[in-house]
Amino acid sequence: QQQVKQSPQSLIVQKGGIPIINCAYENTAFDYFPWYQQFPGKGPALLIAIRPDVSEKKEGRFTISFNKSAKQFSLHIMDSQPGDSATYFCAASAPGRQLTFGSGTQLTVLP
Amino acid sequence: NAGVTQTPKFQVLKTGQSMTLQCAQDMNHNSMYWYRQDPGMGLRLIYYSASEGTTDKGEVPNGYNVSRLNKREFSLRLESAAPSQTSVYFCASSRRGAGALEQYFGPGTRLTVT
Repeated sequence: QQQVKQSPQSLIVQKGGIPIINCAYENTAFDYFPWYQQFPGKGPALLIAIRPDVSEKKEGRFTISFNKSAKQFSLHIMDSQPGDSATYFCAASAPGRQLTFGSGTQLTVLP
Repeated sequence: NAGVTQTPKFQVLKTGQSMTLQCAQDMNHNSMYWYRQDPGMGLRLIYYSASEGTTDKGEVPNGYNVSRLNKREFSLRLESAAPSQTSVYFCASSRRGAGALEQYFGPGTRLTVT
């Protein structure tokens, strides 16, 4: 049972484009929604995270948009660069519970 | 600071063989985790240790055992490897278990079971 559904599975954009990765969840107890970035041959690393009390959070070129009523959240990468090519995972956790990860999106940014 | 280290980086086993994956962290974190990563499946939690002396099952614990040796080290053992356990294994740590805390991941162990 996949508690966090992530799409698309893969995404190719041109340099400067704005890739958008979407995640949906069912568990209304989730209250923490991080995004992890993973480069080939490396472990994932926290990129940005949001709580449901805000609808948007920006860190540099990365933005999380959160829609509590729709139970969806998404990652936007502004002015994407070839160095952003990586696999991105969304995740969610409820208070006192472990993280549940989405299935991942492989992003390729073409030069 | 090395962060989270894992050994070995690569391993090939035959069905039925056993092995232990080692993990150590030098960040004085209380909680440690073992995940497996499979294509299209994301990261799935195998076991975790919220604090030294405790371990708990995650989403996919069958076929694995763990030992929290001390605060720094958390090992994962496959007693009788099966082809279904072919995967990339990641160890992670966090300041404390559960809740909204950043997890720090090691570089992974790529395991193939033939």
